Amino acid sequence: GQQVMQIPQYQHVQEGEDFTTYCNSSTTLSNIQWYKQRPGGHPVFLIQLVKSGEVKKQKRLTFQFGEAKKNSSLHITATQTTDVGTYFCAGRDNYGQNFVFGPGTRLSVLP
Amino acid sequence: NAGVTQTPKFQVLKTGQSMTLQCAQDMNHEYMSWYRQDPGMGLRLIHYSVGAGITDQGEVPNGYNVSRSTTEDFPLRLLSAAPSQTSVYFCASSYMVGGIDTQYFGPGTRLTVL
Repeated sequence: GQQVMQIPQYQHVQEGEDFTTYCNSSTTLSNIQWYKQRPGGHPVFLIQLVKSGEVKKQKRLTFQFGEAKKNSSLHITATQTTDVGTYFCAGRDNYGQNFVFGPGTRLSVLP
Repeated sequence: NAGVTQTPKFQVLKTGQSMTLQCAQDMNHEYMSWYRQDPGMGLRLIHYSVGAGITDQGEVPNGYNVSRSTTEDFPLRLLSAAPSQTSVYFCASSYMVGGIDTQYFGPGTRLTVL
């Protein structure tokens, strides 16, 4: 079945440094979503990407969907302590109705 | 709107006990789902429903039952709890607008099975 992988598993950065997490799918995706989960909280929807090569920005966050629609990335510029949490990607292939989540990347930001 | 609500927040069960995790949403979303979250494994889909009266299995359905008698409610039943079912359970509902599915998650139920 469809598998979604994320790297790195953990990332520790100094406040102000940039951060990137990568998401890779074993199958071609129809679309991909990104979520953020604060420690002790629940996942919160951030964005959905649909088109090959699509790039979307939300303030300091930049999301990209690969040309082959099998990978995606989330880049945070100049991290802040409010960025702490686990970032999940979730991909849906052309045959599935549901999204398959990656294992997540846990981000720690040191002040 | 309260969004997606889940009860209880915490639960401790003994092996073999049964219980129902409650989930409700007041956003009139047709699609609802249950996930479990285990360390290092992300969220795995247990069961989902595309509308009242319709349910289907997800990735890890064994040991769980669901029903969807109304649009608002989607309870998850553990038939005979096992230690392997110790996890955090999230209910979610979603709607599609402009081709984008936005999933809203509840606060979660932390379940421990002894």
